Amino acid sequence: EAQVTQNPRYLITVTGKKLTVTCSQNMNHEYMSWYRQDPGLGLRQIYYSMNVEVTDKGDVPEGYKVSRKEKRNFPLILESPSPNQTSLYFCASSLYTSGRWDTQYFGPGTRLTVL
Amino acid sequence: GESVGLHLPTLSVQEGDNSIINCAYSNSASDYFIWYKQESGKGPQFIIDIRSNMDKRQGQRVTVLLNKTVKHLSLQIAATQPGDSAVYFCAERLSGSARQLTFGSGTQLTVLP
Repeated sequence: EAQVTQNPRYLITVTGKKLTVTCSQNMNHEYMSWYRQDPGLGLRQIYYSMNVEVTDKGDVPEGYKVSRKEKRNFPLILESPSPNQTSLYFCASSLYTSGRWDTQYFGPGTRLTVL
Repeated sequence: GESVGLHLPTLSVQEGDNSIINCAYSNSASDYFIWYKQESGKGPQFIIDIRSNMDKRQGQRVTVLLNKTVKHLSLQIAATQPGDSAVYFCAERLSGSARQLTFGSGTQLTVLP
């Protein structure tokens, strides 16, 4: 089944404790992206990657890191989480063919609480 | 910068009626638009998309209309069912942009029995 998976689905942590949220897709998509979703603010892009070893900042990159060592994986790293990073996080991927982007597919989400 | 917004944050319709969810976008250079449905506790799910060279596109029970003159997008759901209750997002992509999509804040659709 074609899908985007995220782990963990729920995480409660404390300020300053490094954490990683994993994202994996099995559709051989070049493009992957991380979003956070907050009430009233919709989905905001954190980082994106157009292919292996190519990453770039989205709208709200502060406090986050990403890596793209393999095509299928795009982990989101919070080196020193703070309470304002409490949010619902979504990973997404899409195909990029002949200069045109295809539909973006989303993972199930990771609910992060930073105390 | 570009922005995507929704006219109404909530919409309630009777089961069986048609629903219309509206969206305004601000960047005339956007070339691709998508509607997503998000149910509680789940990730956004693709519903239908439309490219800027089209005015209308139909799917199963859904139709998207694009009016580039007034930069307006709408999603029509025919014979709305209880399972259609969700938050609906429109999203736009700026032509040539690698940052992909800019999302609106969403409209909560509630289907009344």
